[in-house]
Amino acid sequence: DSGVTQTPKHLITATGQRVTLRCSPRSGDLSVYWYQQSLDQGLQFLIHYYNGEERAKGNILERFSAQQFPDLHSELNLSSLELGDSALYFCASSVDTGDTQYFGPGTRLTVL
Amino acid sequence: QKEVEQDPGPLSVPEGAIVSLNCTYSNSAFQYFMWYRQYSRKGPELLMYTYSSGNKEDGRFTAQVDKSSKYISLFIRDSQPSDSATYLCAMSVLSGGYQKVTFGTGTKLQVIP
Repeated sequence: DSGVTQTPKHLITATGQRVTLRCSPRSGDLSVYWYQQSLDQGLQFLIHYYNGEERAKGNILERFSAQQFPDLHSELNLSSLELGDSALYFCASSVDTGDTQYFGPGTRLTVL
Repeated sequence: QKEVEQDPGPLSVPEGAIVSLNCTYSNSAFQYFMWYRQYSRKGPELLMYTYSSGNKEDGRFTAQVDKSSKYISLFIRDSQPSDSATYLCAMSVLSGGYQKVTFGTGTKLQVIP
């Protein structure tokens, strides 16, 4: 158990809908990262927050947004969902930027 | 050219074999190297990390970094069926005031009993 929690574990929704994925980092970690992993694909970095502020953006679509709250938990919002958004979404946390990242168990999103 | 290259495999070996997993990288500024293991449909799990060139050992696992060749390896001794997973290398570099981590795409390993 990495200490990073993600909810929900599974999410099934329809095209055009909006969903919110939640991540709680390890105790003491200030950085939260979001990744997307499609079937048999590598980890695609989406976005990084550090202590409430956005620090870096990767290949994140405009339909996706994220935030990190004062208690350091983070949410990833996915809107106008398309079939191609079906994937595993992982959250990772680290103490600082660039430190070892510890991954949560992921949220499996299925868009029908 | 990708910053980090990793053979996707799959790599199939018999139980008990020594496994060698490798990554090459192009950015000589990378300073921190990690290996993650990911079981199917699970989150990546940190196996090992190192800052320096040379070898670092942890049980059946040895991480090797050769900064002059920009090459890192993970060796697994006495491989077990439970080692069957995808192995991801990752590297960190300070870029534009930001410590950036780059992952390889992963090598899928199958250990056959």
